[in-house]
Amino acid sequence: DIKMTQSPSSMYASLGERITITCKASQDIYSYLSWFQQKPGKSPKTLIYRANRLVDGVPSRFSGSGSGQDYSLTISSLDYEDMGIYYCLHYDEFPYTFGGGTKLEIK
Amino acid sequence: QVQLQQSGPEVVRPGVSVKISCKGSGYTFTDYAMHWVKQSHAKSLEWIGIISYNGNTNYNQKFKGKATMTVDKSSSTAYMELARLTSEDSAIYYCARGRAGKDYFGYWGQGTTLTVSS
Repeated sequence: DIKMTQSPSSMYASLGERITITCKASQDIYSYLSWFQQKPGKSPKTLIYRANRLVDGVPSRFSGSGSGQDYSLTISSLDYEDMGIYYCLHYDEFPYTFGGGTKLEIK
Repeated sequence: QVQLQQSGPEVVRPGVSVKISCKGSGYTFTDYAMHWVKQSHAKSLEWIGIISYNGNTNYNQKFKGKATMTVDKSSSTAYMELARLTSEDSAIYYCARGRAGKDYFGYWGQGTTLTVSS
């Protein structure tokens, strides 16, 4: 199985700050990588797919990049509503696997 | 609008089975497949498997023998049965829509909470 190593596991950031979360796959996943946001008590919400494509309706402050084994999610200017837990997921081959999550809190 | 409506919370005894449902609406059910995902405190998120509208399945080896996915395209509903339940099966289970093949999860159900307790 492909292992997804996500970092950091938690972070504090200020409103307006630029933040980046990374995911490293144990092998090349050919950009079959998506990012989710999950808020307490809610189901996940997909933000990015195919490494860098924004899902319709997701604010443009979110962006994804990367290739091969290394990927990142960037929020260009942190908003209060961005608090939550972020996960990456590869869907290059079965079984799909998730990163361990990054808990984002506002300072 | 696309909706995936899951069945309600379950509280069951160890050793029994439970069947969770996920009804799709607002889209053509036969154009998509359904994934199932487990979220627990211990293991965070785990992909259980995928079932296409015609019943073709692919399971995470870890869940073979534990989970059985089925689909009823006449009612646009996907099901997942979990067998021989133990406390380790206590979790939130989500369905999520994607196409067969390499596709992301465009929509998620609201989750079904399963509690296994004596």
